[in-house]
Amino acid sequence: EAGVAQSPRYKIIEKRQSVAFWCNPISGHATLYWYQQILGQGPKLLIQFQNNGVVDDSQLPKDRFSAERLKGVDSTLKIQPAKLEDSAVYLCASSPLARTGPYEQFFGPGTRLTVL
Amino acid sequence: AQRVTQPEKLLSVFKGAPVELKCNYSYSGSPELFWYVQYSRQRLQLLLRHISRESIKGFTADLNKGETSFHLKKPFAQEEDSAMYYCALILNAGNMLTFGGGTRLMVKP
Repeated sequence: EAGVAQSPRYKIIEKRQSVAFWCNPISGHATLYWYQQILGQGPKLLIQFQNNGVVDDSQLPKDRFSAERLKGVDSTLKIQPAKLEDSAVYLCASSPLARTGPYEQFFGPGTRLTVL
Repeated sequence: AQRVTQPEKLLSVFKGAPVELKCNYSYSGSPELFWYVQYSRQRLQLLLRHISRESIKGFTADLNKGETSFHLKKPFAQEEDSAMYYCALILNAGNMLTFGGGTRLMVKP
Protein backbone atom coordinates (compact mmCIF):
# COMPACT_ATOMS: atom_id res chain seq x y z
CA GLU A 1 0.00 0.00 0.00
CA ALA A 2 1.09 3.57 -0.54
CA GLY A 3 2.58 5.28 2.48
CA VAL A 4 1.97 8.69 3.99
CA ALA A 5 2.71 11.41 1.45
CA GLN A 6 3.99 14.89 2.29
CA SER A 7 4.85 17.94 0.24
CA PRO A 8 6.94 19.88 -0.24
CA ARG A 9 9.99 17.95 0.88
CA TYR A 10 12.05 21.09 1.45
CA LYS A 11 11.14 24.71 2.00
CA ILE A 12 13.27 27.78 2.66
CA ILE A 13 11.59 31.02 3.68
CA GLU A 14 12.49 34.24 5.42
CA LYS A 15 11.22 35.06 8.89
CA ARG A 16 7.76 36.61 9.02
CA GLN A 17 6.75 34.85 5.81
CA SER A 18 3.99 32.24 5.67
CA VAL A 19 4.31 28.58 4.73
CA ALA A 20 1.99 25.60 4.35
CA PHE A 21 2.63 21.88 4.40
CA TRP A 22 0.40 19.18 2.98
CA CYS A 23 -0.13 15.59 4.11
CA ASN A 24 -2.05 12.69 2.59
CA PRO A 25 -2.41 9.79 5.07
CA ILE A 26 -2.66 6.09 4.33
CA SER A 27 -6.07 5.28 2.87
CA GLY A 28 -8.55 4.35 5.57
CA HIS A 29 -6.53 5.74 8.47
CA ALA A 30 -8.84 7.81 10.63
CA THR A 31 -6.16 9.39 12.79
CA LEU A 32 -3.60 11.91 11.55
CA TYR A 33 -0.76 13.53 13.48
CA TRP A 34 1.61 16.42 12.88
CA TYR A 35 4.98 16.40 14.64
CA GLN A 36 7.76 18.98 14.80
CA GLN A 37 11.31 17.62 14.97
CA ILE A 38 13.99 20.17 15.74
CA LEU A 39 17.55 19.15 14.87
CA GLY A 40 19.00 16.89 17.55
CA GLN A 41 15.67 16.25 19.24
CA GLY A 42 12.93 13.67 19.05
CA PRO A 43 9.63 14.43 17.31
CA LYS A 44 7.15 16.50 19.33
CA LEU A 45 3.44 16.13 18.71
CA LEU A 46 1.77 19.35 17.55
CA ILE A 47 -1.76 18.18 16.79
CA GLN A 48 -3.81 15.01 16.44
CA PHE A 49 -6.93 14.66 14.30
CA GLN A 50 -9.49 11.89 14.38
CA ASN A 51 -11.37 12.06 11.10
CA ASN A 52 -11.89 15.83 10.76
CA GLY A 53 -12.00 16.63 14.48
CA VAL A 54 -9.12 17.74 16.70
CA VAL A 55 -8.26 15.30 19.49
CA ASP A 56 -5.32 17.20 20.97
CA ASP A 57 -3.64 20.46 20.03
CA SER A 58 -2.22 21.38 23.40
CA GLN A 59 1.33 21.77 22.05
CA LEU A 60 0.40 23.72 18.94
CA PRO A 61 1.52 27.39 19.14
CA LYS A 62 -1.85 28.69 18.11
CA ASP A 63 -0.74 32.29 17.70
CA ARG A 64 1.13 31.32 14.55
CA PHE A 65 0.36 27.68 13.73
CA SER A 66 -2.89 26.34 12.35
CA ALA A 67 -3.94 22.99 10.96
CA GLU A 68 -7.03 21.59 9.31
CA ARG A 69 -8.37 18.34 7.98
CA LEU A 70 -11.61 19.44 6.41
CA LYS A 71 -12.80 16.22 4.75
CA GLY A 72 -11.17 13.82 7.16
CA VAL A 73 -8.48 12.80 4.69
CA ASP A 74 -5.77 15.29 3.63
CA SER A 75 -4.41 17.80 6.08
CA THR A 76 -2.53 21.09 5.90
CA LEU A 77 -0.34 22.70 8.53
CA LYS A 78 0.32 26.42 8.24
CA ILE A 79 2.75 28.76 9.93
CA GLN A 80 2.05 32.49 9.77
CA PRO A 81 4.30 34.35 10.42
CA ALA A 82 7.35 32.08 10.66
CA LYS A 83 10.11 32.59 13.21
CA LEU A 84 13.71 31.40 13.14
CA GLU A 85 12.96 28.81 15.82
CA ASP A 86 10.39 27.16 13.53
CA SER A 87 13.24 25.66 11.49
CA ALA A 88 12.65 21.93 11.81
CA VAL A 89 11.40 18.83 10.04
CA TYR A 90 7.61 18.59 10.09
CA LEU A 91 6.44 15.00 10.14
CA CYS A 92 2.98 13.74 9.34
CA ALA A 93 1.83 10.34 10.56
CA SER A 94 -1.36 8.33 10.39
CA SER A 95 -2.86 5.35 12.17
CA PRO A 96 -6.13 3.44 12.29
CA LEU A 97 -8.84 4.71 14.63
CA ALA A 98 -7.23 5.56 17.96
CA ARG A 99 -10.21 4.92 20.21
CA THR A 100 -8.81 1.50 20.95
CA GLY A 101 -5.20 0.63 20.59
CA PRO A 102 -2.50 1.79 20.75
CA TYR A 103 -1.89 1.48 17.06
CA GLU A 104 1.33 1.76 15.11
CA GLN A 105 1.83 5.18 13.58
CA PHE A 106 3.08 5.33 10.00
CA PHE A 107 5.25 8.32 9.19
CA GLY A 108 5.72 10.35 6.07
CA PRO A 109 9.12 11.49 4.75
CA GLY A 110 8.79 14.89 6.38
CA THR A 111 9.14 18.47 5.20
CA ARG A 112 12.39 20.19 6.12
CA LEU A 113 11.73 23.89 6.82
CA THR A 114 14.53 26.42 7.02
CA VAL A 115 13.65 29.91 8.23
CA LEU A 116 16.30 32.54 7.43
CA ALA B 1 3.85 15.27 32.69
CA GLN B 2 5.29 12.22 30.99
CA ARG B 3 8.93 12.30 29.91
CA VAL B 4 11.21 9.94 28.00
CA THR B 5 14.98 10.16 28.43
CA GLN B 6 17.63 8.59 26.23
CA PRO B 7 20.89 9.47 27.96
CA GLU B 8 23.22 8.65 25.08
CA LYS B 9 23.17 10.77 21.93
CA LEU B 10 25.67 8.48 20.22
CA LEU B 11 26.59 4.86 20.75
CA SER B 12 29.43 3.37 18.72
CA VAL B 13 30.19 -0.37 18.75
CA PHE B 14 32.02 -2.87 16.60
CA LYS B 15 30.21 -5.46 14.52
CA GLY B 16 29.43 -8.52 16.60
CA ALA B 17 29.51 -6.65 19.90
CA PRO B 18 26.46 -6.49 22.20
CA VAL B 19 24.33 -3.36 22.09
CA GLU B 20 22.16 -1.74 24.73
CA LEU B 21 20.34 1.53 24.03
CA LYS B 22 19.02 3.02 27.22
CA CYS B 23 15.57 4.49 27.74
CA ASN B 24 14.05 5.77 30.96
CA TYR B 25 10.62 7.23 31.39
CA SER B 26 8.78 9.17 34.03
CA TYR B 27 5.09 8.50 34.34
CA SER B 28 3.13 7.26 37.29
CA GLY B 29 0.68 5.14 35.36
CA SER B 30 1.10 2.18 33.01
CA PRO B 31 2.30 3.48 29.67
CA GLU B 32 2.72 1.58 26.46
CA LEU B 33 6.35 1.75 25.30
CA PHE B 34 7.83 1.55 21.84
CA TRP B 35 11.08 1.73 19.96
CA TYR B 36 11.04 3.52 16.61
CA VAL B 37 13.99 3.47 14.19
CA GLN B 38 15.07 5.69 11.33
CA TYR B 39 17.63 4.27 8.90
CA SER B 40 19.59 6.62 6.67
CA ARG B 41 17.33 8.23 4.05
CA GLN B 42 14.30 6.30 5.26
CA ARG B 43 11.18 7.16 7.22
CA LEU B 44 10.71 6.78 10.91
CA GLN B 45 9.21 3.33 11.50
CA LEU B 46 8.16 1.13 14.37
CA LEU B 47 10.76 -1.39 15.50
CA LEU B 48 9.00 -3.03 18.41
CA ARG B 49 6.50 -2.47 21.22
CA HIS B 50 6.69 -3.84 24.72
CA ILE B 51 3.17 -5.26 24.72
CA SER B 52 4.05 -7.66 21.92
CA ARG B 53 7.06 -9.12 23.76
CA GLU B 54 8.60 -9.85 20.37
CA SER B 55 12.09 -9.87 18.94
CA ILE B 56 12.54 -7.87 15.75
CA LYS B 57 15.78 -8.02 13.77
CA GLY B 58 17.36 -9.62 16.83
CA PHE B 59 16.39 -6.70 19.09
CA THR B 60 14.47 -7.14 22.33
CA ALA B 61 13.31 -4.69 24.98
CA ASP B 62 12.02 -5.45 28.45
CA LEU B 63 9.85 -3.09 30.42
CA ASN B 64 11.15 -2.67 33.96
CA LYS B 65 8.47 -0.82 35.90
CA GLY B 66 10.57 -0.69 39.06
CA GLU B 67 13.38 1.14 37.30
CA THR B 68 11.01 2.82 34.80
CA SER B 69 13.23 1.66 31.97
CA PHE B 70 12.75 0.10 28.54
CA HIS B 71 16.25 -0.57 27.27
CA LEU B 72 16.76 -1.97 23.76
CA LYS B 73 19.21 -4.83 23.44
CA LYS B 74 20.83 -6.95 20.78
CA PRO B 75 23.48 -9.57 21.50
CA PHE B 76 25.45 -9.18 18.26
CA ALA B 77 25.31 -5.88 16.39
CA GLN B 78 25.35 -5.79 12.59
CA GLU B 79 26.44 -2.93 10.34
CA GLU B 80 22.89 -2.61 9.02
CA ASP B 81 21.71 -1.77 12.53
CA SER B 82 23.32 1.66 12.20
CA ALA B 83 20.47 4.15 12.54
CA MET B 84 18.71 6.63 14.85
CA TYR B 85 16.69 4.93 17.55
CA TYR B 86 13.86 6.65 19.42
CA CYS B 87 12.14 5.41 22.52
CA ALA B 88 8.53 6.56 22.88
CA LEU B 89 5.55 6.09 25.14
CA ILE B 90 1.80 6.34 24.87
CA LEU B 91 -0.38 7.06 27.86
CA ASN B 92 -3.36 4.87 28.67
CA ALA B 93 -5.77 7.20 26.91
CA GLY B 94 -5.36 8.14 23.28
CA ASN B 95 -2.62 7.30 20.84
CA MET B 96 -0.29 10.29 21.30
CA LEU B 97 3.41 9.44 21.27
CA THR B 98 5.96 11.16 23.49
CA PHE B 99 9.44 10.62 22.09
CA GLY B 100 12.86 10.65 23.68
CA GLY B 101 15.69 12.62 22.13
CA GLY B 102 17.08 9.66 20.22
CA THR B 103 20.34 7.71 20.15
CA ARG B 104 22.44 7.33 17.05
CA LEU B 105 23.86 3.82 16.83
CA MET B 106 26.97 3.38 14.72
CA VAL B 107 28.17 -0.16 14.10
CA LYS B 108 31.71 -0.22 12.83
CA PRO B 109 33.07 -3.05 10.67
